[in-house]
Amino acid sequence: GAVVSQHPSRVICKSGTSVKIECRSLDFQATTMFWYRQFPKKSLMLMATSNEGSKATYEQGVEKDKFLINHASLTLSTLTVTSAHPEDSSFYICSARPSGRMSNEQFFGPGTRLTVL
Amino acid sequence: AQSVSQHNHHVILSEAASLELGCNYSYGGTVNLFWYVQYPGQHLQLLLKYFSGDPLVKGIKGFEAEFIKSKFSFNLRKPSVQWSDTAEYFCAVTLNRDDKIIFGKGTRLHILP
Repeated sequence: GAVVSQHPSRVICKSGTSVKIECRSLDFQATTMFWYRQFPKKSLMLMATSNEGSKATYEQGVEKDKFLINHASLTLSTLTVTSAHPEDSSFYICSARPSGRMSNEQFFGPGTRLTVL
Repeated sequence: AQSVSQHNHHVILSEAASLELGCNYSYGGTVNLFWYVQYPGQHLQLLLKYFSGDPLVKGIKGFEAEFIKSKFSFNLRKPSVQWSDTAEYFCAVTLNRDDKIIFGKGTRLHILP
């Protein structure tokens, strides 16, 4: 149980285009999902907290107009990288926290590698 | 600001050697502590976690970690490593007051067969 999927797993796009990444909790509901960015040889950086039915909470320094987050249902959150540039190339990972549990354990997706040419 | 420090960026060991990966955090309040592992080409998986109770926590695959509150540490240990333990290991903290996970920079472990 507690499986999180991401789609696509890998995407290559041209500079200036937008890319949408989906995060799904497959066998549980998640009121809260999280989006991270992982740089080579560095830690995961929390970008934003996605809450079902409300606006996402962005971390300091993360442009909300650049990284659009929509949490349309209890099993789906999407991250759209708008007008992508080469510096947006990175590994994006989502996680989901099962609704209704007392613990704050999160389950992670496999990640999406974005390459912007 | 809260932070998590992992002392070793890259560790190379031979099979059957003992392992200890250091982790320290900076926060004076109540914390929940985690170790995650990322095997090559796979997603992050939870190794073990500490919420409360016995500070010596046992996880999957023979790993354990000890929470020492006075030292703000949560070191990961395994008495005898295997080649299949080659992976990247992340220490992480959440604060009781919210759900954000703060990750360390990770330790890349390479086990020689």
